[in-house]
Amino acid sequence: KAGVTQTPRYLIKTRGQQVTLSCSPISGHRSVSWYQQTPGQGLQFLFEYFSETQRNKGNFPGRFSGRQFSNSRSEMNVSTLELGDSALYLCASSSQPHTGLTSGANVLTFGAGSRLTVL
Amino acid sequence: GQNIDQPTEMTATEGAIVQINCTYQTSGFNGLFWYQQHAGEAPTFLSYNVLDGLEEKGRFSSFLSRSKGYSYLLLKELQMKDSASYLCAVNNDYKLSFGAGTTVTVRA
Repeated sequence: KAGVTQTPRYLIKTRGQQVTLSCSPISGHRSVSWYQQTPGQGLQFLFEYFSETQRNKGNFPGRFSGRQFSNSRSEMNVSTLELGDSALYLCASSSQPHTGLTSGANVLTFGAGSRLTVL
Repeated sequence: GQNIDQPTEMTATEGAIVQINCTYQTSGFNGLFWYQQHAGEAPTFLSYNVLDGLEEKGRFSSFLSRSKGYSYLLLKELQMKDSASYLCAVNNDYKLSFGAGTTVTVRA
């Protein structure tokens, strides 16, 4: 069973540019979550998608957006890049979204991440 | 808002036991997860707790006290490969919120 696949793995951009990151979840998983990981802040929740709908969104500016396609693949976009956007962006999939119940269906399987450097 | 606190670093000797504490103050609570992350790799799932008490999975155990907003991850018979960051995460407000992680270094 293939794991969560994220592309690209590494990328370098300059301030003001925009970037699109892609995530292919585990086959059969319909929930995709995105996290930003930095040394000082740890994992910060960006958003979660389930069945092409954004279920929840973290405290990030509107420059951060995402979407999910009918095959459950997801993309996130960051526009007008800032130096502070340099981070590891992790995508994770689960069979069910995070709800008022916790079970094995909520367990996240993470991809290897996309490391973004903004110069 | 939410506050999830873990110690930043811990060091232990091979074969020993280490306990990683996690305290949380969150706007809601629907369960707590522990993940392990080796340097340069993706986090991987270790355990989750929904009800109070101890969950044991081989050398790893996790405990939860909802009334105290407290959990711990117990690593027994430490091995060198256990050197990693351990992340506590709370399921609340329909999302998973992570602590900053505890870096455990196992020494021979």
